[in-house]
Amino acid sequence: DTEVTQTPKHLVMGMTNKKSLKCEQHMGHRAMYWYKQKAKKPPELMFVYSYEKLSINESVPSRFSPECPNSSLLNLHLHALQPEDSALYLCASSQEGPGKNIQYFGAGTRLSVL
Amino acid sequence: GQQLNQSPQSMFIQEGEDVSMNCTSSSIFNTWLWYKQDPGEGPVLLIALYKAGELTSNGRLTAQFGITRKDSFLNISASIPSDVGIYFCAGQVLGSGNTGKLIFGQGTTLQVKP
Repeated sequence: DTEVTQTPKHLVMGMTNKKSLKCEQHMGHRAMYWYKQKAKKPPELMFVYSYEKLSINESVPSRFSPECPNSSLLNLHLHALQPEDSALYLCASSQEGPGKNIQYFGAGTRLSVL
Repeated sequence: GQQLNQSPQSMFIQEGEDVSMNCTSSSIFNTWLWYKQDPGEGPVLLIALYKAGELTSNGRLTAQFGITRKDSFLNISASIPSDVGIYFCAGQVLGSGNTGKLIFGQGTTLQVKP
Protein backbone atom coordinates (compact mmCIF):
# COMPACT_ATOMS: atom_id res chain seq x y z
CA ASP A 1 0.00 0.00 0.00
CA THR A 2 1.55 3.30 -1.10
CA GLU A 3 -1.42 5.48 -0.28
CA VAL A 4 -1.24 9.05 0.95
CA THR A 5 -4.69 10.45 1.72
CA GLN A 6 -5.44 14.15 1.54
CA THR A 7 -8.58 15.96 2.63
CA PRO A 8 -10.48 17.87 1.51
CA LYS A 9 -10.14 17.30 -2.22
CA HIS A 10 -11.41 20.80 -2.97
CA LEU A 11 -11.50 23.92 -0.81
CA VAL A 12 -12.78 27.42 -1.49
CA MET A 13 -11.96 30.09 1.07
CA GLY A 14 -12.05 33.81 1.48
CA MET A 15 -9.02 35.86 2.32
CA THR A 16 -10.09 36.25 5.95
CA ASN A 17 -10.89 32.59 6.57
CA LYS A 18 -8.90 30.05 8.54
CA LYS A 19 -8.84 26.52 7.16
CA SER A 20 -6.68 23.42 7.40
CA LEU A 21 -5.50 20.81 4.94
CA LYS A 22 -4.94 17.29 6.19
CA CYS A 23 -2.68 14.47 5.07
CA GLU A 24 -2.42 10.92 6.37
CA GLN A 25 -0.21 7.94 5.57
CA HIS A 26 0.08 4.50 7.15
CA MET A 27 3.22 3.27 5.43
CA GLY A 28 5.43 3.88 8.45
CA HIS A 29 7.19 6.71 6.65
CA ARG A 30 9.00 9.18 8.89
CA ALA A 31 9.40 12.03 6.41
CA MET A 32 6.41 14.05 5.18
CA TYR A 33 6.27 16.94 2.76
CA TRP A 34 4.02 19.79 1.61
CA TYR A 35 4.23 21.01 -1.98
CA LYS A 36 2.42 23.76 -3.87
CA GLN A 37 1.71 23.22 -7.56
CA LYS A 38 0.46 25.70 -10.11
CA ALA A 39 -1.17 24.50 -13.35
CA LYS A 40 1.22 22.74 -15.73
CA LYS A 41 4.20 23.48 -13.46
CA PRO A 42 6.24 21.10 -11.33
CA PRO A 43 5.53 20.84 -7.60
CA GLU A 44 7.35 23.40 -5.44
CA LEU A 45 8.56 22.22 -2.05
CA MET A 46 7.18 24.15 0.93
CA PHE A 47 7.98 22.15 4.08
CA VAL A 48 9.65 18.91 5.11
CA TYR A 49 9.07 17.08 8.39
CA SER A 50 11.53 14.44 9.49
CA TYR A 51 10.62 12.34 12.53
CA GLU A 52 7.84 14.82 13.30
CA LYS A 53 10.21 17.79 13.39
CA LEU A 54 10.30 20.56 10.82
CA SER A 55 13.57 20.11 8.91
CA ILE A 56 13.04 22.30 5.84
CA ASN A 57 11.02 25.49 5.38
CA GLU A 58 11.49 26.86 1.90
CA SER A 59 10.93 30.48 2.97
CA VAL A 60 7.16 30.02 2.92
CA PRO A 61 5.03 33.00 4.09
CA SER A 62 3.78 32.73 7.66
CA ARG A 63 0.15 32.58 6.48
CA PHE A 64 0.99 28.89 5.87
CA SER A 65 1.59 27.03 9.11
CA PRO A 66 2.49 23.32 9.05
CA GLU A 67 1.92 20.91 11.89
CA CYS A 68 2.88 17.26 12.35
CA PRO A 69 0.83 15.87 15.28
CA ASN A 70 2.26 12.35 14.90
CA SER A 71 4.19 10.22 12.46
CA SER A 72 1.11 9.47 10.34
CA LEU A 73 -0.47 12.91 10.11
CA LEU A 74 0.51 16.21 8.57
CA ASN A 75 -1.58 19.37 8.58
CA LEU A 76 -1.27 22.69 6.80
CA HIS A 77 -3.07 25.55 8.52
CA LEU A 78 -4.09 28.42 6.29
CA HIS A 79 -4.88 31.97 7.39
CA ALA A 80 -5.28 35.26 5.55
CA LEU A 81 -4.38 33.78 2.19
CA GLN A 82 -4.12 35.74 -1.03
CA PRO A 83 -5.73 34.89 -4.40
CA GLU A 84 -2.27 33.99 -5.75
CA ASP A 85 -2.15 31.18 -3.19
CA SER A 86 -4.77 29.34 -5.22
CA ALA A 87 -3.11 26.10 -6.35
CA LEU A 88 -3.01 22.34 -5.92
CA TYR A 89 -1.45 21.49 -2.56
CA LEU A 90 0.25 18.12 -2.49
CA CYS A 91 1.37 16.04 0.44
CA ALA A 92 4.03 13.36 0.10
CA SER A 93 5.77 10.91 2.38
CA SER A 94 8.91 8.82 2.26
CA GLN A 95 11.10 6.62 4.36
CA GLU A 96 13.79 8.56 6.15
CA GLY A 97 17.51 8.18 5.98
CA PRO A 98 20.04 7.66 3.19
CA GLY A 99 19.11 5.25 0.44
CA LYS A 100 15.85 4.67 -1.31
CA ASN A 101 13.61 7.32 0.23
CA ILE A 102 11.13 7.55 -2.62
CA GLN A 103 8.38 10.14 -2.21
CA TYR A 104 4.78 9.02 -2.65
CA PHE A 105 2.23 11.73 -3.31
CA GLY A 106 -1.38 12.18 -2.35
CA ALA A 107 -4.05 13.29 -4.84
CA GLY A 108 -3.85 16.86 -3.56
CA THR A 109 -6.23 19.55 -2.35
CA ARG A 110 -7.38 22.01 -4.99
CA LEU A 111 -7.49 25.36 -3.16
CA SER A 112 -9.24 28.44 -4.47
CA VAL A 113 -8.84 31.73 -2.60
CA LEU A 114 -11.47 34.35 -3.38
CA GLY B 1 20.85 26.32 -7.62
CA GLN B 2 20.26 22.88 -9.03
CA GLN B 3 18.07 22.73 -12.12
CA LEU B 4 16.77 20.03 -14.39
CA ASN B 5 16.18 20.63 -18.08
CA GLN B 6 13.40 18.39 -19.32
CA SER B 7 12.55 18.01 -22.97
CA PRO B 8 10.48 18.06 -24.97
CA GLN B 9 8.04 20.41 -23.28
CA SER B 10 5.10 18.78 -25.05
CA MET B 11 4.39 15.98 -27.50
CA PHE B 12 1.37 15.14 -29.63
CA ILE B 13 1.61 11.66 -31.08
CA GLN B 14 -0.45 8.97 -32.75
CA GLU B 15 -1.57 5.96 -30.74
CA GLY B 16 0.92 3.13 -31.15
CA GLU B 17 3.95 5.37 -31.56
CA ASP B 18 6.93 5.24 -29.25
CA VAL B 19 7.79 8.23 -27.06
CA SER B 20 11.08 9.43 -25.66
CA MET B 21 11.76 12.23 -23.18
CA ASN B 22 14.84 13.18 -21.21
CA CYS B 23 16.24 15.27 -18.42
CA THR B 24 19.68 16.78 -18.07
CA SER B 25 21.40 18.67 -15.32
CA SER B 26 24.72 20.31 -14.56
CA SER B 27 24.56 18.65 -11.13
CA ILE B 28 25.06 15.05 -10.10
CA PHE B 29 22.14 13.16 -8.58
CA ASN B 30 22.07 10.00 -6.50
CA THR B 31 18.59 9.00 -7.59
CA TRP B 32 16.43 9.72 -10.62
CA LEU B 33 12.66 9.37 -10.45
CA TRP B 34 10.01 9.54 -13.14
CA TYR B 35 6.45 10.50 -12.22
CA LYS B 36 3.24 10.79 -14.23
CA GLN B 37 0.50 13.22 -13.26
CA ASP B 38 -3.08 13.07 -14.52
CA PRO B 39 -5.29 16.18 -14.37
CA GLY B 40 -6.54 16.85 -10.85
CA GLU B 41 -4.38 14.13 -9.33
CA GLY B 42 -1.03 13.90 -7.61
CA PRO B 43 2.13 12.62 -9.30
CA VAL B 44 2.37 8.83 -9.44
CA LEU B 45 5.77 7.16 -9.36
CA LEU B 46 6.58 5.26 -12.56
CA ILE B 47 10.23 4.29 -12.22
CA ALA B 48 13.03 4.87 -9.71
CA LEU B 49 16.70 4.65 -10.70
CA TYR B 50 19.49 4.35 -8.14
CA LYS B 51 22.74 3.55 -9.97
CA ALA B 52 24.61 5.21 -12.80
CA GLY B 53 24.01 3.25 -15.99
CA GLU B 54 20.97 1.46 -14.57
CA LEU B 55 18.30 0.54 -17.11
CA THR B 56 14.89 -0.30 -15.65
CA SER B 57 11.62 -1.31 -17.25
CA ASN B 58 8.04 -1.16 -15.99
CA GLY B 59 5.72 -2.65 -18.59
CA ARG B 60 5.91 -0.44 -21.69
CA LEU B 61 8.10 2.06 -19.85
CA THR B 62 11.90 2.02 -19.86
CA ALA B 63 14.15 4.49 -18.09
CA GLN B 64 17.90 4.84 -17.73
CA PHE B 65 20.17 6.60 -15.25
CA GLY B 66 22.94 8.26 -17.22
CA ILE B 67 26.54 7.18 -16.72
CA THR B 68 27.58 10.69 -15.72
CA ARG B 69 24.69 10.78 -13.17
CA LYS B 70 23.61 14.06 -14.74
CA ASP B 71 20.88 12.80 -17.03
CA SER B 72 18.06 10.31 -17.49
CA PHE B 73 15.62 9.33 -20.19
CA LEU B 74 12.18 7.73 -20.24
CA ASN B 75 10.82 5.77 -23.18
CA ILE B 76 7.22 4.69 -23.66
CA SER B 77 6.61 2.03 -26.29
CA ALA B 78 3.40 1.54 -28.26
CA SER B 79 1.58 4.49 -26.69
CA ILE B 80 -2.10 4.22 -25.79
CA PRO B 81 -4.67 6.94 -24.97
CA SER B 82 -4.30 6.46 -21.20
CA ASP B 83 -0.64 7.50 -21.47
CA VAL B 84 -1.92 11.08 -21.74
CA GLY B 85 -0.67 13.27 -18.91
CA ILE B 86 2.30 15.26 -17.67
CA TYR B 87 5.54 13.39 -17.06
CA PHE B 88 8.04 14.79 -14.57
CA CYS B 89 11.59 13.74 -13.96
CA ALA B 90 13.02 14.39 -10.53
CA GLY B 91 16.55 14.15 -9.22
CA GLN B 92 17.42 13.55 -5.63
CA VAL B 93 20.57 14.44 -3.75
CA LEU B 94 21.07 12.65 -0.47
CA GLY B 95 23.08 14.19 2.28
CA SER B 96 22.84 16.43 5.30
CA GLY B 97 20.46 19.31 4.79
CA ASN B 98 18.84 17.64 1.79
CA THR B 99 16.43 15.30 3.50
CA GLY B 100 14.69 13.69 0.55
CA LYS B 101 14.66 16.94 -1.39
CA LEU B 102 13.60 16.46 -5.01
CA ILE B 103 14.55 18.71 -7.91
CA PHE B 104 11.84 18.51 -10.59
CA GLY B 105 12.04 19.01 -14.31
CA GLN B 106 9.49 21.32 -15.93
CA GLY B 107 7.45 18.41 -17.23
CA THR B 108 6.58 16.89 -20.60
CA THR B 109 2.91 17.07 -21.60
CA LEU B 110 1.95 14.04 -23.66
CA GLN B 111 -1.14 13.90 -25.84
CA VAL B 112 -2.07 10.75 -27.73
CA LYS B 113 -4.37 10.77 -30.74
CA PRO B 114 -6.43 7.57 -31.02
